[in-house]
Amino acid sequence: EIVLTQSPATLSLSPGERATLSCRASQSVSSYLAWYQQKPGQAPRLLIYDASNRATGIPARFSGSGSGTDFTLTISSLEPEDFAVYYCQQRSNWLFTFGPGTKVDIK
Amino acid sequence: QLQLQESGSGLVKPSQTLSLTCAVSGGSISSGGYSWSWIRQPPGKGLEWIGYIYHSGSTYYNPSLKSRVTISVDRSKNQFSLKLSSVTAADTAVYYCARGIAVAGPPYYFDYWGQGTLVTVSS
Repeated sequence: EIVLTQSPATLSLSPGERATLSCRASQSVSSYLAWYQQKPGQAPRLLIYDASNRATGIPARFSGSGSGTDFTLTISSLEPEDFAVYYCQQRSNWLFTFGPGTKVDIK
Repeated sequence: QLQLQESGSGLVKPSQTLSLTCAVSGGSISSGGYSWSWIRQPPGKGLEWIGYIYHSGSTYYNPSLKSRVTISVDRSKNQFSLKLSSVTAADTAVYYCARGIAVAGPPYYFDYWGQGTLVTVSS
């Protein structure tokens, strides 16, 4: 089973700053990695799929990169609505796993 | 616009079976290329994928839950269901249903989610 590790656990930043979130897989997942945003009381929202493709309606300030075992989600300039928890998720063969999440909170 | 809605018992006694249904509207559950998943989130914790049923009817489960999980589909009602047996307090969570999609290969990323339903395991 592939394990995903996310770092940092919490990222404290101010609006307008750049956020860089990391997701590392215990084995290669090629480019089969997605990122989600979750706000309190809401279902997760798909941001990025296949490591670097923005989902429909996602602002350009969100970008994803990486392949193999190391992936990054970057928010170029934080907006007030971006403070949330972010999860990565992978596909290995026909099974899926989520990372533990990174909370981006207001400094 | 595709919509998913979970329903089922919000309170289950320990050792019993949790049963949830996800009604899909705005699209057919029989359309090719999609998976239909259950995902859960214990209060204050992260997301855990439970399993999915593919459009072909094949099922895939989280190895840690496989012995207790059954996911099935009712195409006549355009819905799919989750049964989790022998529940304990550790199964208390918000349960989400979601549609999986992919450009190629197994449909693994989730583009549509239900709102989630809290299931509490308690006597």
